[in-house]
Amino acid sequence: GAGVSQSPRYKVTKRGQDVALRCDPISGHVSLYWYRQALGQGPEFLTYFNYEAQQDKSGLPNDRFSAERPEGSISTLTIQRTEQRDSAMYRCASSLRPGLAGGPYEQYFGPGTRLTVT
Amino acid sequence: AQKITQTQPGMFVQEKEAVTLDCTYDTSDPSYGLFWYKQPSSGEMIFLIYQGSYDQQNATEGRYSLNFQKARKSANLVISASQLGDSAMYFCAMREGMNNRLAFGKGNQVVVIP
Repeated sequence: GAGVSQSPRYKVTKRGQDVALRCDPISGHVSLYWYRQALGQGPEFLTYFNYEAQQDKSGLPNDRFSAERPEGSISTLTIQRTEQRDSAMYRCASSLRPGLAGGPYEQYFGPGTRLTVT
Repeated sequence: AQKITQTQPGMFVQEKEAVTLDCTYDTSDPSYGLFWYKQPSSGEMIFLIYQGSYDQQNATEGRYSLNFQKARKSANLVISASQLGDSAMYFCAMREGMNNRLAFGKGNQVVVIP
């Protein structure tokens, strides 16, 4: 079956521009997560949703970052007024249920969007 | 404070040998889960194995096993009979208590040599 997909795979933008990164989770997965991964580091949590409800956005670095999942499926991570420090791999993941439901409910990751801000 | 610590330098392992990757974690919550992911040079993140804090037995998945020592707060990954395709970065991660997020370590680099 289809895994998590993300688009675009690569995005180069100029400082000050807004970007929107899209994530299409595995069909039927309730929970969707956004992470950011710097080179040579592990992924760092940004935010997550159960269905359309944003449950935790404590990892978003500042108010230039926002995310939505309006119909409980596809999600968009938006970065306004991009800065060079925003350059990273942005990864989306989904899980069948939230981990709080009990059981592993491992997260399946998409291929990521490599964002470069020039 | 770092939730997950992976401090081994890059490791070279002979094909068909076993390799152990260290992971220690820090939590005061009695309910947590530990995960290992593989990231090959292609960049994808591949789920390998899960251990719950209340699980009585160490998790195993094919050639992967988790050496879970709760009192020491360690969750080492053991890869048996290494293959060339095992060359990758390996990340340990934890989900704790009521949080649904994963906290990742910095990873262990493994290179399998023929």
